[in-house]
Amino acid sequence: AQSVTQLDSQVPVFEEAPVELRCNYSSSVSVYLFWYVQYPNQGLQLLLKYLSGSTLVESINGFEAEFNKSQTSFHLRKPSVHISDTAEYFCATQGASYDKVIFGPGTSLSVIP
Amino acid sequence: DVKVTQSSRYLVKRTGEKVFLECVQDMDHENMFWYRQDPGLGLRLIYFSYDVKMKEKGDIPEGYSVSREKKERFSLILESASTNQTSMYLCASKSPRGAQGDTEAFFGQGTRLTVV
Repeated sequence: AQSVTQLDSQVPVFEEAPVELRCNYSSSVSVYLFWYVQYPNQGLQLLLKYLSGSTLVESINGFEAEFNKSQTSFHLRKPSVHISDTAEYFCATQGASYDKVIFGPGTSLSVIP
Repeated sequence: DVKVTQSSRYLVKRTGEKVFLECVQDMDHENMFWYRQDPGLGLRLIYFSYDVKMKEKGDIPEGYSVSREKKERFSLILESASTNQTSMYLCASKSPRGAQGDTEAFFGQGTRLTVV
């Protein structure tokens, strides 16, 4: 069965510092990988996704993630965080059938002024 | 602008009540999902539907049922609400996986249900 692991439940970081949110997946088949973000009191929205091609994918607000097949990882990074990046971040992968989206437990990013 | 709308943001119900959570999407998506979100557990899939009147159990279907009579509407039903069903409930919809790969899931704002 496919699964997603996010080892860090909470990540505090100072404003303008770099951050990495870790994500590992398990799958015996080709995967599609996603990062979703949930701002306070809102639903989830897609941040970025890897389907195929270049292993480095970027979002419009400065985040990037790299698909690493040998390490089964899809870590999310940002070189300099902003207060507005404070949110819950979920790594996700597709299911084996019927397009189920399987989520990790989430990482709460807190940016400290 | 794509939209998934959940009928209530906050709901308080008594133990034993039958509870209906409604979700409507305007994107003509085939697939719709109900998740519950709890601290430390992330999002857990309750049920999903890939077509009208079609449904599949997710990871935690016990105590829940669903209804999909129309393509745009997917309802989650708590037959007899219990305090351990106090949670945030999120509805999502997406198109089936296409030739270019998987597609994005769109989420509603969530319904925070409290069962007392």
